Amino acid sequence: DTEVTQTPKHLVMGMTNKKSLKCEQHMGHRAMYWYKQKAKKPPELMFVYSYEKLSINESVPSRFSPECPNSSLLNLHLHALQPEDSALYLCASSMTGGGVETQYFGPGTRLLVL
Amino acid sequence: AQSVTQLDSHVSVSEGTPVLLRCNYSSSYSPSLFWYVQHPNKGLQLLLKYTSAATLVKGINGFEAEFKKSETSFHLTKPSAHMSDAAEYFCVVSGRGFQKLVFGTGTRLLVSP
Repeated sequence: DTEVTQTPKHLVMGMTNKKSLKCEQHMGHRAMYWYKQKAKKPPELMFVYSYEKLSINESVPSRFSPECPNSSLLNLHLHALQPEDSALYLCASSMTGGGVETQYFGPGTRLLVL
Repeated sequence: AQSVTQLDSHVSVSEGTPVLLRCNYSSSYSPSLFWYVQHPNKGLQLLLKYTSAATLVKGINGFEAEFKKSETSFHLTKPSAHMSDAAEYFCVVSGRGFQKLVFGTGTRLLVSP
């Protein structure tokens, strides 16, 4: 099973709301990733967790707060977002995050900030 | 630094005709290269990957790609397009920190009946 699941599929939120995106995988992978994808653009890396520890933060604004509660779950907490944060948020996972590995992507959460 | 250039932003083919999506890469060391496909409103699906084994790589759904070091190219081909192949295709190189993927800007494949 090479499936990464993400919930919700769609999310609409106001600029004062707090919401969370959830990602889950049961492939035994120990590296998990958050990407942001704007329309007609390639994905941009936001965060990487390796063995439940944050290993890469690509200078993402603090209104995005990642969390990795265990090896199967990855959350992205959202607070005080701006309309320009509207995008498709993709989660991915790979075996360990070391060496050349295939990243498996989820279907994404499409976020609209009003 | 790694980089990837996808030479065509759009490619249009007729169903049943060959597909060629072009990708050139730049890397200061032996790269690993991937092709991912993204259907509308979907996540990314791995088509194939090259990791310094055979230079001709076969992927899913009849796609294949050939790694040519002398030309720094990794073009994606398929002998006969199907309507379901219409999607966005990304050529990707593994970055210096292996966790980082460097994406090309994408090629939108349009397939007409």
